[in-house]
Amino acid sequence: QAVVTQEPSLTVSPGGTVTLICGSTTGAVTSGHYPYWIQQKPGQAPRTLIYDTSNKHSWTPARFSGSLLGGKGALTLSGAQPEDEAEYYCLLSYSDARVFGGGTKLTVL
Amino acid sequence: EVQLVESGGGLVKPGGSLRLSCAASGFTFNNAWMNWVRQAPGKGLEWVGRIKSKTDGGTTDYAVPVRGRFTISRDDSQNTLYLQMISLKTEDTAVYYCITGRYWGRGTLVTVSS
Repeated sequence: QAVVTQEPSLTVSPGGTVTLICGSTTGAVTSGHYPYWIQQKPGQAPRTLIYDTSNKHSWTPARFSGSLLGGKGALTLSGAQPEDEAEYYCLLSYSDARVFGGGTKLTVL
Repeated sequence: EVQLVESGGGLVKPGGSLRLSCAASGFTFNNAWMNWVRQAPGKGLEWVGRIKSKTDGGTTDYAVPVRGRFTISRDDSQNTLYLQMISLKTEDTAVYYCITGRYWGRGTLVTVSS
């Protein structure tokens, strides 16, 4: 089964910009993997921020955006806020499975 | 408003069985591909499996760790998704979430312990 890779942790300054990356051991991440980005704060259920590469949910702040970058999935946060500190998971779809990345712990400091 | 409400979690002994349910509302359930996802205490998210809509064949796929032990089914007349779990192991201890598309339930806790 494929492995989805993410940076274990990243730090961004308040107001700064950071890009989280999602790779696949099977090769390039494409729109055909329907990349999702899921946010989870401590003690809360996960919620989807971005689906199908770049589509936003109704509750997704405008400062978050999704894209494909150099054969990988990407989540960019522009203008980080303290409340963006959370775990972020990438989810990719394959022909017979969906696979989560290990998550990126984002610290806003 | 889309709602997914899981139930059926609890404490079960290793080797035991449990059936989880997910009551869905606010969308056309019979057209939806439904998934189960779990999260062990202090760990990341793990996809468990999915069931396609009947119009797309109604077939199921499972993650390797649960294949042969877990079965996903659906009752479109009741807008309900199920996860039948047998031969449970301590490593199956987790919060189990029902998800469809971009929507998540709040989860139900399954604890496998003697």
